[in-house]
Amino acid sequence: KAGVTQTPRYLIKTRGQQVTLSCSPISGHRSVSWYQQTPGQGLQFLFEYFSETQRNKGNFPGRFSGRQFSNSRSEMNVSTLELGDSALYLCASSLKGSGAGELFFGEGSRLTVL
Amino acid sequence: QKEVEQDPGPLSVPEGAIVSLNCTYSNSAFQYFMWYRQYSRKGPELLMYTYSSGNKEDGRFTAQVDKSSKYISLFIRDSQPSDSATYLCAMSTGTGGGNKLTFGTGTQLKVEL
Repeated sequence: KAGVTQTPRYLIKTRGQQVTLSCSPISGHRSVSWYQQTPGQGLQFLFEYFSETQRNKGNFPGRFSGRQFSNSRSEMNVSTLELGDSALYLCASSLKGSGAGELFFGEGSRLTVL
Repeated sequence: QKEVEQDPGPLSVPEGAIVSLNCTYSNSAFQYFMWYRQYSRKGPELLMYTYSSGNKEDGRFTAQVDKSSKYISLFIRDSQPSDSATYLCAMSTGTGGGNKLTFGTGTQLKVEL
């Protein structure tokens, strides 16, 4: 069974640009969550989508947005990139959307902002 | 103060030792408790998942949850060099909170030969 797939794995952008990251969940999983991981703050919740609807949103500025498609694939977008957005962005999928399900993470997209 | 506190380590132990990792938390609404292992430059891998208080064992790993003390632990028996990684505790309230996990900062573990 294929795991969570994230693309691209690595990318470099400059300040002011925007970036789109993609996540394909495990087959059959309808919940997709996004997290930002930095050395200073650890893993922080960005948002969660379930059946194409955003269910929860973390404490991040509006520059961070996402969406989920009918096949459960998800994308997140960061506009007007800042140096502080450099991080590992992780996607996780779950069979259940109730919080009772286990989350399975992809290997992440490592974003460097110059 | 963070909702979930975890000693960052690093923790260094000899091969074969019993390792104890733990987290404390402040939000009494947390009901689901997880431990993830993360190798360098990889995504977190789910190790243990427990609901409410109690113990759960899986091979060399034992997870304990004490909701009255707001304290969770992960024990690794007969530790191996391949266990060297960062261990993250995570928690969720479930239901209305959906799959939003709150993580500890992670404990870096090194098991030496």
